[in-house]
Amino acid sequence: EIVLTQSPATLSLSPGERATLSCRASQTISSYLAWYQHRPGQAPRLLIYDASNRATGIPARFSGSGSGTDFTLTISSLEPEDFAVYYCQQRTHWRTFGQGTKVEVK
Amino acid sequence: EVQVVESGGGLVKPGGSLRLSCAASGFSLSNYRMNWVRQAPGKGLEWVSSISSASDYIYYADSVKGRFTISRDNAKNSLYLHMNSLRAEDTAIYYCARDLPGLCATDCYFDYWGQGTLVTVSS
Repeated sequence: EIVLTQSPATLSLSPGERATLSCRASQTISSYLAWYQHRPGQAPRLLIYDASNRATGIPARFSGSGSGTDFTLTISSLEPEDFAVYYCQQRTHWRTFGQGTKVEVK
Repeated sequence: EVQVVESGGGLVKPGGSLRLSCAASGFSLSNYRMNWVRQAPGKGLEWVSSISSASDYIYYADSVKGRFTISRDNAKNSLYLHMNSLRAEDTAIYYCARDLPGLCATDCYFDYWGQGTLVTVSS
């Protein structure tokens, strides 16, 4: 099983600040990684697929990068609605998720 | 507007059974691979099962293999998850999720999700 490790577990930031989230895979997954946003009580939302492609309707402040085993999700300037939990997911061998990073208001 | 709405969750005793449903609207279910993904309390997301558009390819996570059965009725635009021999560790919110179309030959990402239905397994 491919294990995805996300860091940090919690990120405390203020609106307008830049958020940088990390996801590390236990073995190489090429660029087969996605990022999701999950707000409490809502459906998870696909943000980024294949490491760097924004999904339909996703604002440009969300960007993804990386390949192999190390990946990053960057939110350039946090909006109030961006405070949520973010998960990465790989599709190379079955589908597994990271344990999540919570972006909270400082 | 694309929507998927789950139903059928509830409280069930260990060893019991439950059937979850997922009603799709705004798209034709028959054109998409569909999935169930769950989230246990305080935990991350876990893929549970997937079914191809024609039901010819079906897969399960090891944690539910032999106990859960995924099925679909394309005519009713609906997806199902039959859960038997339920255990306390099956307690979770269960989400119905659609595979992102046109990108992957097999396992893919999930482009639309429902808000989930809560299954609680407890005596």
